[in-house]
Amino acid sequence: DQQVKQNSPSLSVQEGRISILNCDYTNSMFDYFLWYKKYPAEGPTFLISISSIKDKNEDGRFTVFLNKSAKHLSLHIVPSQPGDSAVYFCAASGKTGGFKTIFGAGTRLFVKA
Amino acid sequence: NAGVTQTPKFQVLKTGQSMTLQCAQDMNHNSMYWYRQDPGMGLRLIYYSASEGTTDKGEVPNGYNVSRLNKREFSLRLESAAPSQTSVYFCASTDPGKGARGEQFFGPGTRLTVL
Repeated sequence: DQQVKQNSPSLSVQEGRISILNCDYTNSMFDYFLWYKKYPAEGPTFLISISSIKDKNEDGRFTVFLNKSAKHLSLHIVPSQPGDSAVYFCAASGKTGGFKTIFGAGTRLFVKA
Repeated sequence: NAGVTQTPKFQVLKTGQSMTLQCAQDMNHNSMYWYRQDPGMGLRLIYYSASEGTTDKGEVPNGYNVSRLNKREFSLRLESAAPSQTSVYFCASTDPGKGARGEQFFGPGTRLTVL
């Protein structure tokens, strides 16, 4: 039973355009939703997060939107740059259990120059 | 400040061999985690340690054991390696007291192949 789902294995976008990565979850008890970015041969690095009590969080070119009623969140990257090409993991965590985090399967983003 | 370090970076084992993956963090974090990453599966939690002296099973603990040696170090042991344990292993840490969002810091990973 996948609690966090990323249904698109890959996404290709032209440089300068918007990238939209989507994520769905099933457990309404999550407190935080996070996005991690992963380059080949490196560990994931934290990108941006959103609390379950908010519906939007923005950090530079990255914005995360949360729709609690639909149990859906999305990551927008504007404008997309070739250096954004990586695997993006959606994740969800809660305060209990030492922030045990559930990760989605990841979406590989290709930004074409 | 090295963050989270993992050794070794690469390892090839034969079926039935044992080995220990080492992880250390210098951020004074309370919680540490071991994940495995397989194609199309994302990151799956093997074991975690919410604080020094405690360990708990994650989603896929079978075939593994862990030791929280001290606050800095959290090791993962494969007692009798199987081909199904071929994967990339990541160690991570966080401090729920400091980062309410639960942001985790990851090591660079260990790529393990079991023949």
